[in-house]
Parts: sequence; C-alpha cells; structure tokens
Amino acid sequence: GQSLEQPSEVTAVEGAIVQINCTYQTSGFYGLSWYQQHDGGAPTFLSYNALDGLEETGRFSSFLSRSDSYGYLLLQELQMKDSASYFCAVRDNSGGYQKVTFGTGTKLQVIP
Amino acid sequence: DTAVSQTPKYLVTQMGNDKSIKCEQNLGHDTMYWYKQDSKKFLKIMFSYNNKELIINETVPNRFSPKSPDKAHLNLHINSLELGDSAVYFCASSQVEGLMIEKLFFGSGTQLSVL
Repeated sequence: GQSLEQPSEVTAVEGAIVQINCTYQTSGFYGLSWYQQHDGGAPTFLSYNALDGLEETGRFSSFLSRSDSYGYLLLQELQMKDSASYFCAVRDNSGGYQKVTFGTGTKLQVIP
Repeated sequence: DTAVSQTPKYLVTQMGNDKSIKCEQNLGHDTMYWYKQDSKKFLKIMFSYNNKELIINETVPNRFSPKSPDKAHLNLHINSLELGDSAVYFCASSQVEGLMIEKLFFGSGTQLSVL
C-alpha cells in the first residue's frame, strides 16, 4: 500500500529553526514535494526533490533520501507568518497511473 | 489574474440536493484534479483529467461526476448530497517539468456544507 507519515503538530519559537519529517511507503516513486497551507487558504507549492540531497529556496530547504524513503522540510529564521500546515506529498505511479498523494499534514505554530 | 479559479467559494445546501462546482485554469496546463479536504485537513485525490481525458478515479461514489469540456475547465457535479460530503473541495492543475517535477496549483477551495 501507500502511506506517508509526518508529525501532526510542531511548535517553535520565532527566529529558530524547525525540521518537519516525512516518511513514505510507495511504489514507482518519482519525487517528494512540500506544500504550505494557511488556515482558510489553499495549499501552495514550496519545493520538490526528485534526487537525494538538499534543495534550498530562501529560508526553506528540503531534503530527500530515496534509500531511506525519508525527507524533511527545514524552515530557518522562523517568522510568525510561517504558522501554517505543511504537507509532504509523493509523486508516484502506484495503482498504474501517476498521481500526487498528500500526507496528513503538520501544523506548525510559531510562538514569540 | 487568478491562475486556478473555482466557484462558488461557499456552498450550503440540504441533504439530497444536487450541486455543481466549477473550475477554470489559465495556466495552459494539461492536467487538472479534484481534491477533497476533510475536517482533519486530510487532502485526498478524487479525480484527475489529462487533456479532457479521465485518468484517475479514486473510488469516489458515482454520485460525484466530473466533467471536462476542455483542458482549461474541470467541473464537479454532486448528486444526492449526503452529510459526509461536507468538506472543502480543491481544484488544481499541474504540468510536469524537467526532472518529472510536478507542481500543483490549487484554486481557493469550495467549502461545502450539507445540512
């Protein structure tokens, strides 16, 4: 079967660094992506990893280890506006067709 | 200049009614989706269309019928609404680039409440 696991909630202090982990089980894996969703808003794309290693985009970085079926999103210099839900998502062809499947989401609360 | 737009934003209706949600994208993407997000924020794929052709139907009850008149539009019609259909429905579009990177662009969502 297919599954993605990430922590349900994380709390971190403004200015600090936080890491949100994601482990997945799937077949026909293409890549891991991350999305941010503020309350009442739509998910927005943050990053994508197809190959092992770290991808950096400003304050956000994402890491993938295909051999460990594991990835993480790293948020640096946390700001209050980073309080949101963060979803990892795998792109695979399980079931015989390509699709993007989302994890259950991690609610990040940034506190002063 | 909205990339993916869906209407209505809010939909409140009685059990048993039939309702539709419309979605349009102006990004020129080939693939469009419907996702359902429940009260626990779980985002579940419902349907995917590629160039007007149904690609994915994730065991959604046949009360839900998607229609894609052209690749820029994907509408969702729901018959005989049930309480359990209450959720936020998101339309999305995507294009695969480079290293099989697929970015989903989501509409603002339709909050459906069935009373």
